[in-house]
Amino acid sequence: SQTIHQWPATLVQPVGSPLSLECTVEGTSNPNLYWYRQAAGRGLQLLFYSVGIGQISSEVPQNLSASRPQDRQFILSSKKLLLSDSGFYLCAWSEGLTGERAQPQHFGDGTRLSIL
Amino acid sequence: QKEVEQDPGPLSVPEGAIVSLNCTYSNSAFQYFMWYRQYSRKGPELLMYTYSSGNKEDGRFTAQVDKSSKYISLFIRDSQPSDSATYLCAMSDGSGNTGKLIFGQGTTLQVKP
Repeated sequence: SQTIHQWPATLVQPVGSPLSLECTVEGTSNPNLYWYRQAAGRGLQLLFYSVGIGQISSEVPQNLSASRPQDRQFILSSKKLLLSDSGFYLCAWSEGLTGERAQPQHFGDGTRLSIL
Repeated sequence: QKEVEQDPGPLSVPEGAIVSLNCTYSNSAFQYFMWYRQYSRKGPELLMYTYSSGNKEDGRFTAQVDKSSKYISLFIRDSQPSDSATYLCAMSDGSGNTGKLIFGQGTTLQVKP
């Protein structure tokens, strides 16, 4: 069966510090990968998605970047964190290359990021 | 106008009640519909996945799609305190290879014992 791992679960960082959040998926090959941010009481905001190694699409201009160095590894980064980067960050995966049939996304348990 | 509208609630019901959660959408090309449940401080988990119109039942949960009205519903029978969570709808037209879904804002449900 497929599993998704996200770490750390909680992170407190000072303003201006760098960030690296990691997400890995097991039990599948060539998945689509996604990074979301969820503000308190709000919906999911798609930040980045990837359909393959080295292929990153950005949904919103911001202080963050993403990379996919391996097939099942997705990393969210920032060189200098802002107060507005606080939030709940979720990684998700779905089956890739499925033609015209939409696949559900499966989520990790998220990282709660607080910027001080 | 948002592509998907979902009443944020909160919705509070007594244990044992039938709960109806709803989403409306504007894109008539959507044909794949999902419901997710999200507990506090956890990631969303997939509850139901349906294609096109009609009903799908899984235990106490029933997903209903009315494409003519662009309206989907999730019914929870015999609601339990453990059903207290935020419920998000999601949908897609199935085109392209990105797998992107359009999510509603989520409805917070509280089931009181």
